[in-house]
Amino acid sequence: GAGVSQSPRYKVAKRGQDVALRCDPISGHVSLFWYQQALGQGPEFLTYFQNEAQLDKSGLPSDRFFAERPEGSVSTLKIQRTQQEDSAVYLCASRLQGSTEAFFGQGTRLTVV
Amino acid sequence: DAKTTQPPSMDCAEGRAANLPCNHSTISGNEYVYWYRQIHSQGPQYIIHGLKNNETNEMASLIITEDRKSSTLILPHATLRDTAVYYCIVRVAGSGGYQKVTFGTGTKLQVIP
Repeated sequence: GAGVSQSPRYKVAKRGQDVALRCDPISGHVSLFWYQQALGQGPEFLTYFQNEAQLDKSGLPSDRFFAERPEGSVSTLKIQRTQQEDSAVYLCASRLQGSTEAFFGQGTRLTVV
Repeated sequence: DAKTTQPPSMDCAEGRAANLPCNHSTISGNEYVYWYRQIHSQGPQYIIHGLKNNETNEMASLIITEDRKSSTLILPHATLRDTAVYYCIVRVAGSGGYQKVTFGTGTKLQVIP
């Protein structure tokens, strides 16, 4: 596909359940970002990868959040022991090396019940 | 990254120009002004960016004041499909590397038939 693909589009989890959200960036894009967007708010930065290296994870809200990109392409955001406050849309974006434009996926809407 | 201030909402009649203001009074000399928009249920989409000169592309025009403390995004002929939340962001841009983006809450533009 031509764009950033995220799956699943919707996820309902019971409180305490672990979830894994997947991001397929645009092929060849070195930079990959994860954002969290609460209802009515702008996206908030979570973490950044350059290839397989996680260079900034300062936005991850707690140690229950973990992201990886082992081969420098597909990335997974994992949330352990989900809580209601984790309910949000999780957005992934990728960017070509040297480019200023980031391309976003449609996001995964996580609802914790 | 410098903070930005945007009105929370605006209306615009279809076919008219939409002028979306942004204040960034603490912008640094090496920070660019970026605009993204987010249509309902989609990820943010890059629109345009600039440093100090006015910029135009197929989507919009960006007017930056001489002191760079504010800017205006202009959609010359708004259509119903332009209804979205518009985010003004300031950040350092370079030839590579990492620049974290802080979105804020943006301006919700409603285009009215």
